[in-house]
Amino acid sequence: DVKVTQSSRYLVKRTGEKVFLECVQDMDHENMFWYRQDPGLGLRLIYFSYDVKMKEKGDIPEGYSVSREKKERFSLILESASTNQTSMYLCASSLMGVAAKNIQYFGAGTRLSVL
Amino acid sequence: KNEVEQSPQNLTAQEGEFITINCSYSVGISALHWLQQHPGGGIVSLFMLSSGKKKHGRLIATINIQEKHSSLHITASHPRDSAVYICAVPSGNQFYFGTGTSLTVIP
Repeated sequence: DVKVTQSSRYLVKRTGEKVFLECVQDMDHENMFWYRQDPGLGLRLIYFSYDVKMKEKGDIPEGYSVSREKKERFSLILESASTNQTSMYLCASSLMGVAAKNIQYFGAGTRLSVL
Repeated sequence: KNEVEQSPQNLTAQEGEFITINCSYSVGISALHWLQQHPGGGIVSLFMLSSGKKKHGRLIATINIQEKHSSLHITASHPRDSAVYICAVPSGNQFYFGTGTSLTVIP
């Protein structure tokens, strides 16, 4: 079974803090994704990575950065957390190639609250 | 306008009812995914289909590529089917997601 593990299920941070969300997958997938999920808006892509050290902006990259130093690990960084970044964050991975041919496997999600 | 529209947004059903969730999309695709998200957050892939119909247990997914429409059906619904069902349409390396249909099945 593919496993995508997110480091925390719940996080509470203060405005201005630097926040790290970690994601690890164990199936040697090339593609990894970070989404945020908000009521009424669905899943929105923040960043994705198709290889080590490679990254591409998604639809809402502002206020976020990412790091992929190893194939299995994809980190999402909030440089200076703000209250509007309170959300559910979901990591996913898939095999290399176009999305049409590959199932995405999701982590359990991290519910982040920024106070 | 969203690239992927789902209906209904919320659905409450009695146990045993037949349920239909609809997804319409405007982006060109060669496959469509149905996902299930249980309370607590985890998302699992139910189906990936590019034509016709797929069946898995009590779940049936259909797609009409020409009409850019897909449906997810649940036969003999059960309270454990209560979840959010999300339609996802791939484009390049990314997906466009519907906002989800929240299903509650009452015993």
